[in-house]
Amino acid sequence: GENVEQHPSTLSVQEGDSAVIKCTYSDSASNYFPWYKQELGKRPQLIIDIRSNVGEKKDQRIAVTLNKTAKHFSLHITETQPEDSAVYFCAASIKAAGNKLTFGGGTRVLVKP
Amino acid sequence: GAVVSQHPSWVICKSGTSVKIECRSLDFQATTMFWYRQFPKQSLMLMATSNEGSKATYEQGVEKDKFLINHASLTLSTLTVTSAHPEDSSFYICSARSLAGAYTDTQYFGPGTRLTVL
Repeated sequence: GENVEQHPSTLSVQEGDSAVIKCTYSDSASNYFPWYKQELGKRPQLIIDIRSNVGEKKDQRIAVTLNKTAKHFSLHITETQPEDSAVYFCAASIKAAGNKLTFGGGTRVLVKP
Repeated sequence: GAVVSQHPSWVICKSGTSVKIECRSLDFQATTMFWYRQFPKQSLMLMATSNEGSKATYEQGVEKDKFLINHASLTLSTLTVTSAHPEDSSFYICSARSLAGAYTDTQYFGPGTRLTVL
């Protein structure tokens, strides 16, 4: 089955700096790659997603890049703010397999003011 | 739009009892809902896929007789933890996929249910 690896597991950045989280996936049939932000005790919130027909997508301070050849995708957060502190999860799914999401292990991001 | 609710938000029960958790899509129809379990400081692990009008599909290692799933309508799926034990204590989260719209692969998550078994 699909396996998703996520790095780093923790990330501490100064407010205003950029944060980058990287994920790799194992199944080349994966075609949907969402990123979720989860605050303590809360639901995962979809912050951005990308599909296999594009290489990059941006939404204000957040961007995601996808390299299908290398089977990896990354989340970029620019101009980080204290409210960006949370756990971020990447995931991958295959439409033909019922769109089941396989999650990475998560990255705990701390933005220091 | 795309709001998913769960009830209850937390529950404490005695060992050996059963607990039912409801997952509802409030403003959209979902033929497919998913149930996840999340232990503290860990990632989400898919337990099962719930399909409206048919049997749920369980992931490897998940006991279907212990975690009963019913998806009776396009807006409601339930997870019943039978004969709960302390090791079943966890955060249970559901998600739902919308039937409509351009992207039916997007999953929207419920707020989760924290189960504590004494």
